[in-house]
Amino acid sequence: QLVLTQSPSASASLGASVKLTCTLSSGHSSYAIAWHQQQPEKGPRYLMKLNSDGSHSKGDGIPDRFSGSSSGAERYLTISSLQSEDEADYYCQTWGTDIRVFGGGTELTVL
Amino acid sequence: QLQLQESGPGLVKPSETLSLTCTVSGGSISSRSYYWGWIRQPPGKGLEWIGNIYYSGSTYYNPSLKSRVTISVDTSKNQFSLKLRSVTVADTAVYYCARDGCTSNSCPIDYWGQGTLVTVSS
Repeated sequence: QLVLTQSPSASASLGASVKLTCTLSSGHSSYAIAWHQQQPEKGPRYLMKLNSDGSHSKGDGIPDRFSGSSSGAERYLTISSLQSEDEADYYCQTWGTDIRVFGGGTELTVL
Repeated sequence: QLQLQESGPGLVKPSETLSLTCTVSGGSISSRSYYWGWIRQPPGKGLEWIGNIYYSGSTYYNPSLKSRVTISVDTSKNQFSLKLRSVTVADTAVYYCARDGCTSNSCPIDYWGQGTLVTVSS
């Protein structure tokens, strides 16, 4: 079964960097994922597609501060030079031929 | 720039049918490359994929909702629609439409509507 696992929460200081993790279920380590950001009281925004080899392509207007990387079944989103507007929920998402799956989301607090 | 906009009633009674429409602008829903989908988010909770449709009418649904869901497309209006039957309070959520993947199976959800809150209550 295709499942994505995320830590419920994370925090980091203003101006620092943070690395969020999304883990693919066993047998699915070759899957690409996407990262989406949801700021408070807003709809989700597509950030990037992240492949198993760590290559990634970002959505329109996504700052260079956002980057992705991969290791085995883990997919990472790194946000550098944290700003207050980065405080949001971050969801990873993957897909198969006939299904789409979301992780449970990570709530990021900027201290 | 592709834009998606949900529309429909904000209040539905229990046991009735929830109906929403998504209007796509800045691009054609008849593109042979993309699927168009619905996702929902109950208050304070995470995202749940409902299903998607191709311009030809081919659909995929979340198995947990499949028995109650129908997604349809109207290419002449550049719209696609969601019907969810026999709703309960558990179906109260913000409903989003989105561009939901591509035929090469290499694409994520990459454009979202702003969402519309549907409350199920008598």
